[in-house]
Amino acid sequence: GENVEQHPSTLSVQEGDSAVIKCTYSDSASNYFPWYKQELGKRPQLIIDIRSNVGEKKDQRIAVTLNKTAKHFSLHITETQPEDSAVYFCAATAGDRDDKIIFGKGTRLHILP
Amino acid sequence: AAGVIQSPRHLIKEKRETATLKCYPIPRHDTVYWYQQGPGQDPQFLISFYEKMQSDKGSIPDRFSAQQFSDYHSELNMSSLELGDSALYFCASSQGQIFYGYTFGSGTRLTVV
Repeated sequence: GENVEQHPSTLSVQEGDSAVIKCTYSDSASNYFPWYKQELGKRPQLIIDIRSNVGEKKDQRIAVTLNKTAKHFSLHITETQPEDSAVYFCAATAGDRDDKIIFGKGTRLHILP
Repeated sequence: AAGVIQSPRHLIKEKRETATLKCYPIPRHDTVYWYQQGPGQDPQFLISFYEKMQSDKGSIPDRFSAQQFSDYHSELNMSSLELGDSALYFCASSQGQIFYGYTFGSGTRLTVV
């Protein structure tokens, strides 16, 4: 089955700097790669997603890149702000309907003042 | 916009008791997904239903069962509860043959004492 690896597990960056989180996946049949942000005790919230026919997608300060050949994808957050502090999960789809979302282990992002 | 509704929000049960969690999908959504998230862990896929039939199965213990009803709401039944079942349980829903991702409900926090 699908396996998603995520690095680093913890990341501290100075406010205003950029943060990069990297993930790899194992199932070449995966076609959808969402990223979720989760604050303590709350639901994971979708922040950006990318499909396999696209190499890059950007939404304001957040961008995601996908390399299907290498089976890796990355999240880039620029001009980080205190409210960006949270746990971020990458994920990939699996299953016969390609709708089962498999998560990475998460990255705890700390934005330092 | 209507979201995925889960009930109850919080539940405290004793070991060996039974718990039932409910999920009401977004109107016209035909697929429901259940996830379990332990403290400091990533969400783990449990089970999904499409058009009231089990669609996919993940790491769901045999003590757990679930079903989707004619009105598309779903219930997760958990018996012989163990301390390790204490977790956040999230439900999500989607619609149609093409997967566009999904939004999680607010979750049920189950505490087993």
